[in-house]
Amino acid sequence: EVQLVESGGGLVQPGGSLRLSCAASGFTFSSYWMSWVRQAPGKGLEWVANIKQDGSEKYYVDSVKGRFTISRDNAKNSLYLQMNSLRAEDTAVYYCARDPGPVAALDYWGQGTLVTVSS
Amino acid sequence: EIVLTQSPATLSLSPGERATLSCRASQSVSSYLAWYQQKPGQAPRLLIYDASNRATGIPARFSGSGSGTDFTLTISSLEPEDFAVYYCQQRSNWRYTFGQGTKLEIK
Repeated sequence: EVQLVESGGGLVQPGGSLRLSCAASGFTFSSYWMSWVRQAPGKGLEWVANIKQDGSEKYYVDSVKGRFTISRDNAKNSLYLQMNSLRAEDTAVYYCARDPGPVAALDYWGQGTLVTVSS
Repeated sequence: EIVLTQSPATLSLSPGERATLSCRASQSVSSYLAWYQQKPGQAPRLLIYDASNRATGIPARFSGSGSGTDFTLTISSLEPEDFAVYYCQQRSNWRYTFGQGTKLEIK
């Protein structure tokens, strides 16, 4: 069974940093692109970033470029999102999701971790 | 950036009725269009990928159609568990965008 479990969310002050993790199991993690998607309270979905199987390609939504960094450790079956210079508008539930690649969709999602940026 | 516009914002129907949700892209996305269902407090669930292919375990009452810029998600006969928010999504040059969502509510 495919499982994605996010962790690392919490309350952080504006300008602060946070590192999210996503533990993957039930599939060959190193064979898949992976994405982070967020959802602000009461709002829609916003794709944040993704990373290729070997980490050689990474893409970001414009609003987080230069502040967020996506990475992965295939030996640990883990995906990460380092978030720096956090702003109030980054407040959201952050989901990790599996990207099958040839199929332009996200087929499995974790349950999400809440990040709140507030003083 | 490709913008996806969903309509209507809210759709009020009764169980057993047919639901038709629309998604329009600001430029062609070929058939690289997916649909998701999200219920309160839950993660999104993939329903349809590549415009018309049902994901694993998705009931046959869900169907997708379209190509280029205009897409439709149809639920042939609504079940009580189908009332939720639905999002369309596209991928271009490995970057994703989502529509703003359609809320399907019980009339």
